[in-house]
Amino acid sequence: GAVVSQHPSRVICKSGTSVKIECRSLDFQATTMFWYRQFPKQSLMLMATSNEGSKATYEQGVEKDKFLINHASLTLSTLTVTSAHPEDSSFYICSPKLAGTDTQYFGPGTRLTVL
Amino acid sequence: QQQVKQSPQSLIVQKGGISIINCAYENTAFDYFPWYQQFPGKGPALLIAIRPDVSEKKEGRFTISFNKSAKQFSLHIMDSQPGDSATYFCAASKGQGGKLIFGQGTELSVKP
Repeated sequence: GAVVSQHPSRVICKSGTSVKIECRSLDFQATTMFWYRQFPKQSLMLMATSNEGSKATYEQGVEKDKFLINHASLTLSTLTVTSAHPEDSSFYICSPKLAGTDTQYFGPGTRLTVL
Repeated sequence: QQQVKQSPQSLIVQKGGISIINCAYENTAFDYFPWYQQFPGKGPALLIAIRPDVSEKKEGRFTISFNKSAKQFSLHIMDSQPGDSATYFCAASKGQGGKLIFGQGTELSVKP
């Protein structure tokens, strides 16, 4: 149980383009979805929290217009990095929370490289 | 008060030895303390978690020890194996809606 998929696993794009990352909880429902980014050798940095059907809540310093989060269903959430720049290159990881519990699972991550 | 401090930053253990990673927190409202294991290029995987009403929880070779009065908790990996070589993160949260606050991570290397 607790299978989370993320697509794509790797993406390379040119500066100025937008990239959409998809996260699915395959065998459970997630009322809450967290999105993290992680730089090499560092801890996970929470970017935003979204509840199904509601607008996402962004952490301080994270631009909501740059990182668009959609949590349209209990099993699917997307993160769109708009007008990506080289400094957005990072490892992005989704983390759905099992409904009614404290338990957070993590996706396999998406490596974004912006040229 | 929201911080979780993790130590050591890196750890080298011989195969068969015990790996110990420590975490300390300030916020007494935290009520859920999970540990995650992360391999390079992969997302973190939930290893084991504990609540403050118990002082120890064991799952296989992994044990969490929890000291509520000291506001500390630790992960013990018994009979450490080279396959345990990974980065380990402790975390803490409060309430069901709370977000996880992560420690800085410990890079564990188990030598054969």
